[in-house]
Amino acid sequence: QVTLRESGPALVKPTQTLTLTCTFSGFSLTTSAMCVSWIRQPPGKALEWLVLIDWDDDKYYSTSLKTRLTISKDTSKNQVVLTMTNMDPVDTATYYCARTTGCMASAGIWGAFDVWGQGTMVTVSS
Amino acid sequence: DIQMTQSPSTLSASVGDRVTITCRASQSLSSWLAWYQQKPGKAPKLLIYKASSLESGVPSRFSGSGSGTEFTLTISSLQPDDFATYYCQQYNSYFTFGPGTKVDI
Repeated sequence: QVTLRESGPALVKPTQTLTLTCTFSGFSLTTSAMCVSWIRQPPGKALEWLVLIDWDDDKYYSTSLKTRLTISKDTSKNQVVLTMTNMDPVDTATYYCARTTGCMASAGIWGAFDVWGQGTMVTVSS
Repeated sequence: DIQMTQSPSTLSASVGDRVTITCRASQSLSSWLAWYQQKPGKAPKLLIYKASSLESGVPSRFSGSGSGTEFTLTISSLQPDDFATYYCQQYNSYFTFGPGTKVDI
């Protein structure tokens, strides 16, 4: 069974750096064509894709947030870590991690998100 | 960046109704489009990928069609469990979600 679970602080202050961890099981991020993304959703609003990391450790970032995001993976722990700098109240959202299979991003083949974590709500407030 | 639109933004329907949601892209996606269902407080659930392929375990009353820039999600006979928000998402070039369509009673 494939599962993903997000963890991290529920509250951060403006200008702080947010670090979120996605811990997964049931698949390996060393398997060819496997990818994990972070996606967020502000309260009452639509979904926004943030960043993807693939099995080959290539990383792809949202154009609008590229300068603030960093993604990394620890394959021994089955974890993907997202950091987002200079947090602002508009970054208040539920943050999800999700898996993509059949993902060959370097060849322009991306894939749908077939399994999602339950999400973690992050509030940015002083 | 590819922009996505959905119509309608809200849809009021009854159990048993046939429901159609339209999604349009700002440029051709070929068939690289997915549909998700999201219920309040829950993560999105993949329904359809590659425009018309039904995800395993998803009821056959859900279907998708289209290619290029215009796509539709159809629910053939709306069930009580189907009242939710539906999002389209392109994955032709990175990822972009549509603004969502809320299906309510």
